[in-house]
Amino acid sequence: QVQLQESGPGLVKPSETLSLSCTVSGDSVTGYYWSWIRQPPGKGLELIGYVFDTESANFNPSLMSRVNMSLDTSKNRFSLTLTSVTSADTAVYYCARGGYTVIDLWGRGMMVTVSS
Amino acid sequence: DIVMTQSPDSLTVSLGERATINCKSTQSLIYTSDNNNYLAWYQQKPGQPPKLLFRWASTRESGVPDRFSGSGSGTDFTLTISSLQAEDVAVYYCQQYYSTFPTFGGGTKVEI
Repeated sequence: QVQLQESGPGLVKPSETLSLSCTVSGDSVTGYYWSWIRQPPGKGLELIGYVFDTESANFNPSLMSRVNMSLDTSKNRFSLTLTSVTSADTAVYYCARGGYTVIDLWGRGMMVTVSS
Repeated sequence: DIVMTQSPDSLTVSLGERATINCKSTQSLIYTSDNNNYLAWYQQKPGQPPKLLFRWASTRESGVPDRFSGSGSGTDFTLTISSLQAEDVAVYYCQQYYSTFPTFGGGTKVEI
């Protein structure tokens, strides 16, 4: 059974960098698209971006200047960094399988609050 | 960018009654190369991540009850729950994956 688990700080100060990781268990990260989606409190879903291999990624145009994603095949995980965060970046962050197509597997989600 | 618009924003349905959710895209989601509609539906229950219900507009995922059905083509799509059950209370999202950067609709909240 494939499972995804987000990890990282739940509180980030304004103007700093948000860094999250997603560990995949039960299958290899190789050969799949992996994505990050976020959901502000009480709002809808926003695809942040997706990564396919160590050199292939696609990001939301509205976040492109601040976001990066990477895939670590040796640790079977993928990561998200979002720079210069503001309160607008407060959300539940989900890691998931898919992104270029349907998203068929989701992590449980992690609440990240941007506050001083 | 392809914009997905869902309607209504919310609806209240009695147990056993039909619920209908609409999703409209700003451009056709049919690829002429395979004639498929690149449209998915998700269900998100309170406090849980979304769950994939349908891909290709009408292909039900394994384990999804058959009271759920997906229909539509091109730019107009519908998710129907034929007989609403208590466990169907959730927010439902459509998503296009026609473009290289998929986008979601704003969601429809279904209540009893």
